[in-house]
Amino acid sequence: ELKVEQNPLFLSMQEGKNYTIYCNYSTTSDRLYWYRQDPGKSLESLFVLLSNGAVKQEGRLMASLDTKARLSTLHITAAVHDLSATYFCAVIKLSGTYKYIFGTGTRLKVLA
Amino acid sequence: DARVTQTPRHKVTEMGQEVTMRCQPILGHNTVFWYRQTMMQGLELLAYFRNRAPLDDSGMPKDRFSAEMPDATLATLKIQPSEPRDSAVYFCASGLTHLSQGVYEQFFGPGTRLTVL
Repeated sequence: ELKVEQNPLFLSMQEGKNYTIYCNYSTTSDRLYWYRQDPGKSLESLFVLLSNGAVKQEGRLMASLDTKARLSTLHITAAVHDLSATYFCAVIKLSGTYKYIFGTGTRLKVLA
Repeated sequence: DARVTQTPRHKVTEMGQEVTMRCQPILGHNTVFWYRQTMMQGLELLAYFRNRAPLDDSGMPKDRFSAEMPDATLATLKIQPSEPRDSAVYFCASGLTHLSQGVYEQFFGPGTRLTVL
């Protein structure tokens, strides 16, 4: 059964600092996604990672994928308050029912 | 600006009442997902459809929940009778499935916040 774990679950950091959120999954997966959710809002797609070694960057966020280690990271550079949100990773296996499996989420709070 | 729409956005009801939530997927998308989000359980997949056919509803309590797609522009999730433990935010998402590639990306609606008293 495909399982997805994120850590940390909660992260409080100062503006200007760097940090990394980790997403581990239990079996081979064909794609990995990162989403952002603001409080009381819906999920917004950030990145889609398709292959081993894939790296994508948008502003202060950079996501990477290591399929051999079954690990994805979301790196935050010089955090700003606007990045405060909950970040989810999700994986999908392109066989069977093609279900997305979501991680537990990482609640990030950036302190001014 | 193509978006997934959901109605109602908020619903407060009493235990035992029927609740119907509606979702309009992005035009042209052939796959629709229903998720439930709670603090305790996180984001759970309830059911999903491809080309209006249900593919997986294993996450849905069958005795009280039902999901349908009467046509390509409407998906419904119904709870009858509702219980306080059903209180959650229900999200609909849609995407386009390409043959063996699955859904490349899913787009989430704004959600329906359900409170059952």
